[in-house]
Amino acid sequence: DTAVSQTPKYLVTQMGNDKSIKCEQNLGHDTMYWYKQDSKKFLKIMFSYNNKELIINETVPNRFSPKSPDKAHLNLHINSLELGDSAVYFCASSQVTSGGSYNEQFFGPGTRLTVL
Amino acid sequence: GNSVTQMEGPVTLSEEAFLTINCTYTATGYPSLFWYVQYPGEGLQLLLKATKADDKGSNKGFEATYRKETTSFHLEKGSVQVSDSAVYFCALDTRFGGKLIFGQGTELSVKP
Repeated sequence: DTAVSQTPKYLVTQMGNDKSIKCEQNLGHDTMYWYKQDSKKFLKIMFSYNNKELIINETVPNRFSPKSPDKAHLNLHINSLELGDSAVYFCASSQVTSGGSYNEQFFGPGTRLTVL
Repeated sequence: GNSVTQMEGPVTLSEEAFLTINCTYTATGYPSLFWYVQYPGEGLQLLLKATKADDKGSNKGFEATYRKETTSFHLEKGSVQVSDSAVYFCALDTRFGGKLIFGQGTELSVKP
């Protein structure tokens, strides 16, 4: 059983298109995240949701819109794709402890987005 | 602000060599510290963690000690294997919304 899954694994598209990446976790976690990994492997958080509520919204162009229909799913929609959006996008999840801290994050396998 | 700095890669070692990957951090407060590993074509996996000063995290022969006085969390392994070839990321938990700050990653290549 895959704990955190993402679809698609690869996405090749033209500039200007709109695309979505889906993420699902079956760990029962209440917090989910999107990260972007650039060509130099640098990882940066984009968004996090806790129980469907947006908690972290980093400096990300508003062409990127996350949506959490329920706490097991966090999708990422990208409008008007640009060349610079080419990267690997990782979804992750974790659980808030009773003390209010966060346990370790579990990562999905990534979605490699290539914008031509 | 919060930041993590790792030694630059790639690091190339022979099998059974000793490994050290340096990691230093700046943070407000007392963050938890992590090492994640990314094998080729995969997502990140937690390798080990330490939640307070002087804690030692260990897993699969890897170790790292949370040193508050030097703000460091260096990763070590006594004898690396070819299967350890991967990219290693040091990270700190900002304690805000689960946000992790990652270092730039260090690629390790182990030759037989």
